[in-house]
Amino acid sequence: SQKIEQNSEALNIQEGKTATLTCNYTNYSPAYLQWYRQDPGRGPVFLLLIRENEKEKRKERLKVTFDTTLKQSLFHITASQPADSATYLCAPSPAAGNKLTFGGGTRVLVKP
Amino acid sequence: NAGVTQTPKFQVLKTGQSMTLQCAQDMNHNSMYWYRQDPGMGLRLIYYSASEGTTDKGEVPNGYNVSRLNKREFSLRLESAAPSQTSVYFCASSLRQGAYTEAFFGQGTRLTVV
Repeated sequence: SQKIEQNSEALNIQEGKTATLTCNYTNYSPAYLQWYRQDPGRGPVFLLLIRENEKEKRKERLKVTFDTTLKQSLFHITASQPADSATYLCAPSPAAGNKLTFGGGTRVLVKP
Repeated sequence: NAGVTQTPKFQVLKTGQSMTLQCAQDMNHNSMYWYRQDPGMGLRLIYYSASEGTTDKGEVPNGYNVSRLNKREFSLRLESAAPSQTSVYFCASSLRQGAYTEAFFGQGTRLTVV
């Protein structure tokens, strides 16, 4: 069965450092992959989408990579700030159909 | 611009009671989703609707039913609530443009079944 894995342990990081989160998937080949941010008590908010033919995508201090050989996406937050503290969810998605499924999320805590 | 609106925000039910969670979007999106989120866990897909008139099961459909009332509204019904259904429920919608569509989420419904 299809499986999406994110590190369930919280990532504690010092302000100014780069946070790197991993999303691994098995038993399917997504055409694209999305990353979302979720703050406590709120619904997830879309951050970035990367297609299978794109190796890297950037948005401000965020960078996402997509390695279809390794079946993995890396999500980087550079120059992290306490306001970046949140849970980050990945969602690899197939080309066909609209079934949007998520990994378990990784909580990031940026300490001043 | 309301986006995705869920009602109610909070609900307490007794075991065996029924209720319907409402969701409406004003973005003219084709696809809508219902998820549940339990403490320390990610979002689990209950049901989704790729377009008006169609619904499909997700990962955890047991104990739930859905209705895609029209393009705007997608409701989730618990016929006989159980304590295991205590969770936060999120509705989401997305505009289908090929396959590359971001989802917009509501603010969630916190449901407690006692």
